[in-house]
Formats: sequence, structure tokens, C-alpha cells
Amino acid sequence: EAGVAQSPRYKIIEKRQSVAFWCNPISGHATLYWYQQILGQGPKLLIQFQNNGVVDDSQLPKDRFSAERLKGVDSTLKIQPAKLEDSAVYLCASSRPGQTERKYGYTFGSGTRLTVV
Amino acid sequence: AQTVTQSQPEMSVQEAETVTLSCTYDTSESNYYLFWYKQPPSRQMILVIRQEAYKQQNATENRFSVNFQKAAKSFSLKISDSQLGDTAMYFCAFMTPLGGSQGNLIFGKGTKLSVKP
Repeated sequence: EAGVAQSPRYKIIEKRQSVAFWCNPISGHATLYWYQQILGQGPKLLIQFQNNGVVDDSQLPKDRFSAERLKGVDSTLKIQPAKLEDSAVYLCASSRPGQTERKYGYTFGSGTRLTVV
Repeated sequence: AQTVTQSQPEMSVQEAETVTLSCTYDTSESNYYLFWYKQPPSRQMILVIRQEAYKQQNATENRFSVNFQKAAKSFSLKISDSQLGDTAMYFCAFMTPLGGSQGNLIFGKGTKLSVKP
């Protein structure tokens, strides 16, 4: 099966600009996650979708970050305006929603490396 | 709240030798899943091995095995016959089998493993 697709692979922007990342999960995976991975740290969950509904966005900085998942498939994560501390890798992952499937973990994309200067 | 701790920021091993990466976690749950992910420079998180907490038998996947000590809340990864391609960041992760926001992957800060020829 095809993996989780993400684009762009790299992005450099100036602070206060806006940026958007795109994710296409594995076909049939109803659950989609966006993680932020700051250099030297483990990934941290930003938002979780089940189909096109938000399950958990408690760690999403909602004053500047937004995300949507139209039609329960592709997802877009946006930052506006960006700050220097937003420099990180943004990883998208997907999984099947059932408890049996969850024990197999998630499938991750290759991420987008964002540099804010 | 669940936490995952990896106390070794960096480790190195000679090719063909064995290395053990440490991980401890904190949770009040009795049923959960534990994972080791590998992240090479390509940035994609690759599942190495997983363990279900209710299973006493330690998981093994070819050259990779774990030492799961539930009472001590310890979950170490042993890599045998290390290969140059094992060079990567390794992340320990925890997840409960519950659905919704309680079932998210929680990562440690990672251990950078270098395999030397």
C-alpha cells in the first residue's frame, strides 16, 4: 500500500509569514494526526482527526495554528503568522481507528522541515 | 499524565556488536502498548518493534528484541549484530488502547545511535 504522503519536504519562511502543509494518509485510515518535532526532541501531538472531525486539539496553538481535514481524507495544517519557535519538522501520521489496529501503531510520513528566519 | 523518559541522548556501537537503548515510562494504566520507532535522516518514523503490556513474553523482530519489565516500568531495546544502516534516532513511545484523545502516541526525547565500521 502507498504510504503517508506529505508536502512540501522543506520550507523556509520569514517570521510573521504564513505557511501550509499538506498530508494524504493511507487509504482507509480514518484517523489522522499532526505532530510537531522540534530539533532534539520527540514528536508532540498537535491535533488528531477521526474522519473529518477533530478528536483532540488541546496542544494546538489556536491563535496561530489551524488544521482541517476535508471529506475525511487529505489534511492541511496552517501557521499564520509564523514565529521563530515554530521551526520544526511537522509529521503527519495515520492509523485505523479500531483498538485492534491501534496496537500496531501509526504509519508516518516523511514530514516537512520548516525553518522560520 | 503518561511520560516517557530516554536517559541516553547519544550512544555508539561497533558494527556487528550489541547495544541496548533504555526507556522508562510512567503511567497508572494497567493495559497499554509500547513501541520503538527508528528515525533515519530521511525523517520518516519507522516502527521497529512493539509490545503489548498484558503479554509477559518479550517481543522480538529479527535482530531487535526488548526487555519489558512491567513492574519497573522499563522497556529497553536490544540491537544485535549492529549494522551501519541501524544508525538513526530511536524513539520509545507509549499508547493506551483507549480511543479518542487518550490513545495518542507519547514519545520520549530519543537516543541518537551511531554504528561505527
